[in-house]
Amino acid sequence: DTGVSQNPRHKITKRGQNVTFRCDPISEHNRLYWYRQTLGQGPEFLTYFQNEAQLEKSRLLSDRFSAERPKGSFSTLEIQRTEQGDSAMYLCASSLLVASEKLFFGSGTQLSVL
Amino acid sequence: SQQGEEDPQALSIQEGENATMNCSYKTSINNLQWYRQNSGRGLVHLILIRSNEREKHSGRLRVTLDTSKKSSSLLITASRAADTASYFCATDERQGGKLIFGQGTELSVKP
Repeated sequence: DTGVSQNPRHKITKRGQNVTFRCDPISEHNRLYWYRQTLGQGPEFLTYFQNEAQLEKSRLLSDRFSAERPKGSFSTLEIQRTEQGDSAMYLCASSLLVASEKLFFGSGTQLSVL
Repeated sequence: SQQGEEDPQALSIQEGENATMNCSYKTSINNLQWYRQNSGRGLVHLILIRSNEREKHSGRLRVTLDTSKKSSSLLITASRAADTASYFCATDERQGGKLIFGQGTELSVKP
């Protein structure tokens, strides 16, 4: 299967701890996106990369969130000093370099902050 | 922030009936896309309609786009229990590369 892969699938952590998620996009896809989704809501844009360059970061994203895509392949999303409000599904998606092309999503990482 | 708003928020129908979901958005777009999400899973792309298109079909799906009203509709004909899922519209911004999703319509198809 060469789809978008996200790890871990589930993460339970205590408030104040740091967590890191990984996303492996489809290999030929240049663009990689991170979204956050809470129950009953649509995905909320967090940030996206074109190759290794982070092109946009949501203004709603606090400084506790950081994302990297060091070699233009996989990406990591780190949340420092987690808060209960960070509990959500974190979705990764990838696409070809054509702007606004369809996104291929991973199954997500469900974060629960206790 | 979310650009699209779907209507209705929830829809319950019987198998074999048609399901219609509507989406409204705020800014000019290059294209509008519809995605489906089964509970606890990632989203799956269904169909893309460009701003210069008015209607598009894919199997049992029919999408319309009215750029003057900034709205779109998704019609699923002859629904099946397996169509039970949440459906989201997503729009790009003319100057940007990201997609902005609506809040979704939760469709339940009863056998």
